[in-house]
Amino acid sequence: GENVEQHPSTLSVQEGDSAVIKCTYSDSASNYFPWYKQELGKGPQLIIDIRSNVGEKKDQRIAVTLNKTAKHFSLHITETQPEDSAVYFCAAGRGSTLGRLYFGRGTQLTVWP
Amino acid sequence: ETGVTQSPTHLIKTRGQQVTLRCSSQSGHNTVSWYQQALGQGPQFIFQYYREEENGRGNFPPRFSGLQFPNYSSELNVNALELDDSALYLCASSLDYTDTQYFGPGTRLTVL
Repeated sequence: GENVEQHPSTLSVQEGDSAVIKCTYSDSASNYFPWYKQELGKGPQLIIDIRSNVGEKKDQRIAVTLNKTAKHFSLHITETQPEDSAVYFCAAGRGSTLGRLYFGRGTQLTVWP
Repeated sequence: ETGVTQSPTHLIKTRGQQVTLRCSSQSGHNTVSWYQQALGQGPQFIFQYYREEENGRGNFPPRFSGLQFPNYSSELNVNALELDDSALYLCASSLDYTDTQYFGPGTRLTVL
């Protein structure tokens, strides 16, 4: 099955700085890569996703890049704010066939004011 | 908010008991997926239902079972509870099985 690895497990940045979280996957058939933000006591909230026919996608301060050859994808958050503090999960799936998602172990992002 | 609701919010059971968790999908969504999230881990796929039929299952024993109803709400049933079943159980609904999954707030299950 698919194996998703996520790094780092914890990340601390100063408000206004950028944060980068990286994930690798093992199954070359995976073609859908969402990122979720989970705040304490809440369910994961989709923040951005990318499909394998696209190399990069941006939504305001958030961007995701995908390198299919190397089987890795990254989340970039610019101009971080204290409210960005949460656990971030990357996931991989075969969006065209099965709906299951394989998640990384998460990154605890802390943004200090 | 995603429009996906789950009940109950918290639940405490003892080992060997049975539990039923419920999920109400976002309006118009015909697919629901269930995940187990242990403390400090990412969600793990349990199974998915598409138009009332099971559409894939993860590495969970048969004592984990599910149902999806004609209104696309769903249940997760766990029999013979074990201590390791203590976790946050999440459901996610999507427009169909190929589409983006939107998660509910989860049910925190504690098995004593």
